[in-house]
Amino acid sequence: GAVVSQHPSRVICKSGTSVKIECRSLDFQATTMFWYRQFPKQSLMLMATSNEGSKATYEQGVEKDKFLINHASLTLSTLTVTSAHPEDSSFYICSASSYRGQGGEKLFFGSGTQLSVL
Amino acid sequence: LAKTTQPISMDSYEGQEVNITCSHNNIATNDYITWYQQFPSQGPRFIIQGYKTKVTNEVASLFIPADRKSSTLSLPRVSLSDTAVYYCLVGDIRDDKIIFGKGTRLHILP
Repeated sequence: GAVVSQHPSRVICKSGTSVKIECRSLDFQATTMFWYRQFPKQSLMLMATSNEGSKATYEQGVEKDKFLINHASLTLSTLTVTSAHPEDSSFYICSASSYRGQGGEKLFFGSGTQLSVL
Repeated sequence: LAKTTQPISMDSYEGQEVNITCSHNNIATNDYITWYQQFPSQGPRFIIQGYKTKVTNEVASLFIPADRKSSTLSLPRVSLSDTAVYYCLVGDIRDDKIIFGKGTRLHILP
């Protein structure tokens, strides 16, 4: 299957700093990437949809100025958590669509980033 | 997007066949049914996808009745390593976002 690389896998930062998370599709071009966050023992919550070359579409309740998403190329999307606070501590996961024109859409996910804000 | 309903949790034993059923009563004509598996502290992994009848791959089988209002993921002869959360998603390629339900937490016992 398609490979999505997410980096870093774990980051610990001080409150008030910014953290950037990268998501790369290694063997396919992803016109659309999705960003999720997940709290312990809960399901994935969609934060935003990122389309290459255009502004991301944020879900209701997600602050676009706090969670900056950039999708500058067909293989790279980044999520920057600006001025992080302890309540931003969570598991962040990216995914990319690998639709090839047949069947349904399949998503391939990165391995996730565990963010801990002290 | 069709809403899905799955059991919150299931327990089974090694070597058994496990069937997880997902209800999606308002599935649309163009919707496909896709199942993902997630281990702790990892991103979900695609397992299987189908539109109707039966689909089988090296990992699982997916059974979809004619009315498509439900689907059943079948895992043959499970092992401890199959302990994970399983998500059923319903949608089509025109959806601009993929929403996850609560999933089913499967616990395999020795």
